[in-house]
Amino acid sequence: QSALTQPPSASGSPGQSVTISCTGTSSDVGGYNYVSWYQQHPGKAPKLMIYEVSKRPSGVPDRFSGSKSDNTASLTVSGLQAEDEADYYCSSYAGTNNAYVFGTGTKVTVL
Amino acid sequence: EVQLVESGGGLVQPGGSLRLSCAASGFTFSSYWMHWVRQAPGKGLVWVSHIANDGSTTVYADSVKGRFTVSRDNAKNTLYLRMNSLRAEDTAVYYCARAEGSTLEYWGQGALVTVSS
Repeated sequence: QSALTQPPSASGSPGQSVTISCTGTSSDVGGYNYVSWYQQHPGKAPKLMIYEVSKRPSGVPDRFSGSKSDNTASLTVSGLQAEDEADYYCSSYAGTNNAYVFGTGTKVTVL
Repeated sequence: EVQLVESGGGLVQPGGSLRLSCAASGFTFSSYWMHWVRQAPGKGLVWVSHIANDGSTTVYADSVKGRFTVSRDNAKNTLYLRMNSLRAEDTAVYYCARAEGSTLEYWGQGALVTVSS
């Protein structure tokens, strides 16, 4: 199972928006509405930010939003804040035998 | 409060074995599927394995199939990952995670496994 493709980096100034793409195939991203996004700060465990494409867990600011079109999912962070600087990973369910696949990761920098 | 605490990591020689544990608390462990995810130093997240809430179903990534075994003891609220025939490329921080449907909702802090001679 190949990793989902994400851009290595993205950046924006405080208050701006940044959008990260996550491209897979019809066997994962395109085949299921089970895309999640995780935020990871250096040396810390990943934290769930978006699940089932566009749902936000309790406690996650509404500045974070998710969407999907065909085989590509996207995470948008609006109103960037310094604490949003982190690595972001998408993941997708990939069927009974392959189970799950993660994206390559995107480092978001707040300028 | 949901807590997942991994233990058992360390330095092991190539070809050796290690067993990781993940102690769960703050929720009904026997009701949830559980996963293992790893992250090599400076690299991205890679899914390793998952196990059904009752242990009846296990699935593995191709890279560990036949070498790793996931199991659980619901009476002890503990998840395990037995790793055999370890290779240098298995060096990583190993995270356990609780699943809610198809979402990895809660993660432990990770356990570092280093495979080196």
